[in-house]
Amino acid sequence: QVQLVESGGGVVQPGRSLRLSCAASGFTFSYYALHWVRQAPGRGLEWVALISSDGFRKNYADSVKGRFTISRDTSKNTMFLQMSSLRAEDTAVYYCARDIGGPEGGLDVWGQGTTVTVSS
Amino acid sequence: DIQLTQSPSSLSASVGDRVTITCRAGQSISRFLNWYQQKPGTPPKLLIYAASSLQSGVPSRFSGSGSGTDFTLTISSLQPEDSATYYCQQSYSLYTFGQGTKLEIK
Repeated sequence: QVQLVESGGGVVQPGRSLRLSCAASGFTFSYYALHWVRQAPGRGLEWVALISSDGFRKNYADSVKGRFTISRDTSKNTMFLQMSSLRAEDTAVYYCARDIGGPEGGLDVWGQGTTVTVSS
Repeated sequence: DIQLTQSPSSLSASVGDRVTITCRAGQSISRFLNWYQQKPGTPPKLLIYAASSLQSGVPSRFSGSGSGTDFTLTISSLQPEDSATYYCQQSYSLYTFGQGTKLEIK
């Protein structure tokens, strides 16, 4: 079945780095744009980053621009989020999600999330 | 950034009620507006895309309408399993979520 599975979360000190992975299965990976969305404890959803289906277009929220890098490896059906200079406010559950396609967007498949805690 | 403001922030309604949640954008976003349902401890679920298109598998009691700056999500006959937080999201200029509306069943 169509599935996204995140991994790589954990506890990290402020200023350090962490790389999240999102493994896709059940669909043609190269056809779809993918996103990262996060949710801080007890808070709402925050869009983090987007990578186009071909990997050439990358967009970031202002809150992570210059610190986070999104990428994808079609040979591994996996998307990544390299996070550096982490701050306490980056603490959240990080979800990867598939773009439904078409101009109107919409995220139709979500992973279960991986938790990142930034704390000394 | 395009801001989205949902109202109300929370509401309580009875089974069978008609429920409406509103999302207002800070500028015109045409019909680039999506709605999600999230239950505690689970990822969001896409309900409505492009303002009014029902996502496959979503019950027909859910509907969306609007364009420009004002949008609504309507649940025609509230069911117990609809207790959740609902978010709107714009995809007109990058992506932004509303702050959420928590819906409880009386």
